[in-house]
Amino acid sequence: NAGVTQTPKFRVLKTGQSMTLLCAQDMNHEYMYWYRQDPGMGLRLIHYSVGEGTTAKGEVPDGYNVSRLKKQNFLLGLESAAPSQTSVYFCASSYSGLANEFFGPGTRLTVL
Amino acid sequence: TQLLEQSPQFLSIQEGENLTVYCNSSSVFSSLQWYRQEPGEGPVLLVTVVTGGEVKKLKRLTFQFGDARKDSSLHITAAQPGDTGLYLCAGDPQEYGNKLVFGAGTILRVKS
Repeated sequence: NAGVTQTPKFRVLKTGQSMTLLCAQDMNHEYMYWYRQDPGMGLRLIHYSVGEGTTAKGEVPDGYNVSRLKKQNFLLGLESAAPSQTSVYFCASSYSGLANEFFGPGTRLTVL
Repeated sequence: TQLLEQSPQFLSIQEGENLTVYCNSSSVFSSLQWYRQEPGEGPVLLVTVVTGGEVKKLKRLTFQFGDARKDSSLHITAAQPGDTGLYLCAGDPQEYGNKLVFGAGTILRVKS
């Protein structure tokens, strides 16, 4: 089992560029989440999904979109990147939704 | 303002010392989790507490959930350098549904 994997690990964007972050899990989990982690602020929930074909907004959804076309994949898109989106992005998956049991290794994104 | 306030923010101690990290809120949580995160990696779930007053032990780590389910603590006995890392508490407030909010974290450094 690979657990939760994230692609890419690092990325540098220019303001206004777009990109998609990919999260994949091989544990057949229903729940998947995207967080961003900034110094001194812990992790903040961007979007989440409670099953294939469903998505919902979290605490800080503005500027991001997500899709969950397949149960094992959860994509996070930035349509027009801004410097304020410079952060480390973590994906997580959970069987029960009670706790985010498995986190990916993170994607470090810098927007210039 | 964080929904979950963690204290202290930083802790630097000598090997063998004991320490306690606190996680406080004015909200009631259905459950609280503690995670440990090492640099460049995603958080790893240590424990979930769900019952007010619950105490769980994981080797030298003791976790307690407050009676009113608004706070939690993590106590480490005889800290070791391998305990060094970022400790995060997280909980799902009753009014939020199956979504977690995270504290800002406590950076622990154990010196040998």
